[in-house]
Amino acid sequence: DIVMTQTPLSSPVTLGQPASISCRSSQSLVHSDGNTYLSWLQQRPGQPPRLLIYKISNRFSGVPDRFSGSGAGTDFTLKISRVEAEDVGVYYCMQATQFPWTFGQGTKVEIK
Amino acid sequence: EVQLVESGGGLVQPGGSLRLSCAASGFTFSSYWMSWVRQAPGKGLEWVANIKQDGSEKYYVDSVKGRFTISRDNAKNSLYLQMNSLRAEDTAVYYCARHLGYSYGPWGQGTLVTVSS
Repeated sequence: DIVMTQTPLSSPVTLGQPASISCRSSQSLVHSDGNTYLSWLQQRPGQPPRLLIYKISNRFSGVPDRFSGSGAGTDFTLKISRVEAEDVGVYYCMQATQFPWTFGQGTKVEIK
Repeated sequence: EVQLVESGGGLVQPGGSLRLSCAASGFTFSSYWMSWVRQAPGKGLEWVANIKQDGSEKYYVDSVKGRFTISRDNAKNSLYLQMNSLRAEDTAVYYCARHLGYSYGPWGQGTLVTVSS
């Protein structure tokens, strides 16, 4: 199975300031079809996960443009340009390149 | 609006059984792979099982093979998870989620399964 490793595990941020989360996979996430199936999920407190970003950098429907994704191969980053109070929660990276789909351990974003 | 609503969770003794259901609406259920993903209290996400559109292919995480069975009824727009021989380590919120080919979306609100004596 592909292991997904996130850093940091906790990220205290000031409102209005940027935040960045890294995700590394144990092997390349480039699929044989040429796509890289790396996505980011947000889980607010008491809520189910919600898809934010898919295929590295594509924002899902309704996701604010302060969220952006980048990376390639085995190293990926989620950035929040200006953190708002509603962004508090746990963020997971996830790979859908190889079965079984696997998740990172999660990064908790909280306000300082 | 695309919606998934789970039900059937609860408290069960070790060795017991439960059947989870997921009612889908707002999309053509029969066109999508579907999955169950669980989250132990305070922990991360773990894929449990998934099923092809017509039910002809099913896959399970090793820890539940032989104990859990995923199924679906496309006429009722419903997904199921029959859980037998439950263990304490199966305690989790169980989410049903739709496959998008590149990720999961949306997710249901989840149903809590607690295995304890």
